[in-house]
Amino acid sequence: KAGVTQTPRYLIKTRGQQVTLSCSPISGHRSVSWYQQTPGQGLQFLFEYFSETQRNKGNFPGRFSGRQFSNSRSEMNVSTLELGDSALYLCASRTGGVHEQFFGPGTRLTVL
Amino acid sequence: AQKVTQAQTEISVVEKEDVTLDCVYETRDTTYYLFWYKQPPSGELVFLIRRNSFDEQNEISGRYSWNFQKSTSSFNFTITASQVVDSAVYFCALSEGGGSNYKLTFGKGTLLTVNP
Repeated sequence: KAGVTQTPRYLIKTRGQQVTLSCSPISGHRSVSWYQQTPGQGLQFLFEYFSETQRNKGNFPGRFSGRQFSNSRSEMNVSTLELGDSALYLCASRTGGVHEQFFGPGTRLTVL
Repeated sequence: AQKVTQAQTEISVVEKEDVTLDCVYETRDTTYYLFWYKQPPSGELVFLIRRNSFDEQNEISGRYSWNFQKSTSSFNFTITASQVVDSAVYFCALSEGGGSNYKLTFGKGTLLTVNP
């Protein structure tokens, strides 16, 4: 089975722009979660989607949003980018009722 | 609120040494799950193990072993006869078992460097 894939792998944006990151889960996995990893804050949970519904949300401003499509692929969007949004954004998928999450390679976002 | 503490920020060992990575957790739930992930320089988090709160049996997988002790809220990870390929950041994580909450709370990670 193919693993979790994320596109793009690297992204450079400037302050004030917006960005969309994409995640394709492992085939058959209906849950997708997003995490932000920074040197200062570590790994932090952003949100989780299951069957196109947001199930849980972390403590991030409304500039961070996401959605999930009927094929379980997910996108996250960050609007009005700030320097502090520079991070590695990791997507994880899991199958229903199981707690193990399997991560993709991440998208490294740099905001200039 | 749930919390995971990995007190060791960095550990450096010489190949073939045994090394233990510490993890202490806090949760009010009686049902929870503990995990270890490995993050090599490529950045992808690799799942190593999951432990349920109601199963305190220790586990061994090749050179890896895990010691889960509810009495001390610890879930430590030991690598026996370390190898250079074990060099990575290791994260301990906690997921509370109630309802539809599957979010992972991670520790800050331990950077393990295995020198030849």
